[in-house]
Amino acid sequence: AQKVTQAQTEISVVEKEDVTLDCVYETRDTTYYLFWYKQPPSGELVFLIRRNSFDEQNEISGRYSWNFQKSTSSFNFTITASQVVDSAVYFCALTSRNTGGFKTIFGAGTRLFVKA
Amino acid sequence: DSGVTQTPKHLITATGQRVTLRCSPRSGDLSVYWYQQSLDQGLQFLIQYYNGEERAKGNILERFSAQQFPDLHSELNLSSLELGDSALYFCASSVSRLGDLGNTIYFGEGSWLTVV
Repeated sequence: AQKVTQAQTEISVVEKEDVTLDCVYETRDTTYYLFWYKQPPSGELVFLIRRNSFDEQNEISGRYSWNFQKSTSSFNFTITASQVVDSAVYFCALTSRNTGGFKTIFGAGTRLFVKA
Repeated sequence: DSGVTQTPKHLITATGQRVTLRCSPRSGDLSVYWYQQSLDQGLQFLIQYYNGEERAKGNILERFSAQQFPDLHSELNLSSLELGDSALYFCASSVSRLGDLGNTIYFGEGSWLTVV
């Protein structure tokens, strides 16, 4: 069975703090993809990153970084020097192949509040 | 502006009715995805089309159907609507089928459906 767990429902930080959002996944597939999405208060969904199961290299994009560890089935997301504009709900998602093609499931999301 | 256009933005309809949500992908994008976001179920992947063909199926109810037309726009048809179908329906597009590294998924602003 596939499962994505974002154990942190809400996180509140003060601007300029670093914050890590956790994502733990379960899948029996050897080929799968992991995603992070951002949903700001305005409601739109913004794709942040995709990582495939064969690439465990960490990724850094500006203040954002992602740590993918297959050994612990985790794909954590760190925001360095957080800003108020980072306030949003962040979703982790897993896509893997099953009968009928690829299937995507989402975590419940982590709501991040960044206070000025 | 992501380049993905969804219509209508808001829709109120009665139980038992049928509605059609429309999505125009970004120019050049061959894949279209549909997602549902509700308070009860969270964010769920419904279905993906690639160049007119169904590629992946998620938690899409039998009362729902989708298609992608030769001009690549897509429609999501929701029938025999129930109160629980009230949700925000997102469409997204990407250049190619899932499995190609590095392609970005772009989301529309969503269609708010309220069933009363």
